[in-house]
Amino acid sequence: NAGVTQTPKFQVLKTGQSMTLQCAQDMNHEYMSWYRQDPGMGLRLIHYSVGAGITDQGEVPNGYNVSRSTTEDFPLRLLSAAPSQTSVYFCATSPGLAGVEQYFGPGTRLTVT
Amino acid sequence: GENVEQHPSTLSVQEGDSAVIKCTYSDSASNYFPWYKQELGKGPQLIIDIRSNVGEKKDQRIAVTLNKTAKHFSLHITETQPEDSAVYFCAGLPSDKLIFGTGTRLQVFP
Repeated sequence: NAGVTQTPKFQVLKTGQSMTLQCAQDMNHEYMSWYRQDPGMGLRLIHYSVGAGITDQGEVPNGYNVSRSTTEDFPLRLLSAAPSQTSVYFCATSPGLAGVEQYFGPGTRLTVT
Repeated sequence: GENVEQHPSTLSVQEGDSAVIKCTYSDSASNYFPWYKQELGKGPQLIIDIRSNVGEKKDQRIAVTLNKTAKHFSLHITETQPEDSAVYFCAGLPSDKLIFGTGTRLQVFP
């Protein structure tokens, strides 16, 4: 089992560009989530999903879109990248519906210039 | 909403000593408190968790205690080893969204 995979590992964007961060899991978990990690601020929830076709906002959703068409995949879209979105992004999954026992992917380091 | 505060932000100990990291939370509805360890360049990994109906939980050298009345919980690592060096995050779960503390960088010196 690969667990939680994220692509790409690194990405540099220019302000205004759009892109999609990919997250895939092979553990058949219903709950998936996206976090961003910034120095001194811990991990902050962007969006989450409790199953295919269901998504909801976290603490910092502005500037990001998500969709969940399958159990396995949960892509995060940056609509128009801004320097404030420079961060490390983590995808996580959970076997429960409430976000307990989350398994994190290896992360995507995004720089917006 | 929930707010989780974590202290200290950095902690240095000598190998073999104990380390304690403390967190406080604000939302009394929180009923699940995990601790994550993050090594450099990797994603966080769950190391131990505790639910609100339990006061203490141990797993080998790691233990977590919970005081619901005071709304705080702590991570205790005994007999620290260099491989314990990492950033540790606490979190609270008031509904279906984990709220994380800001992290503690633990350094264990040989």
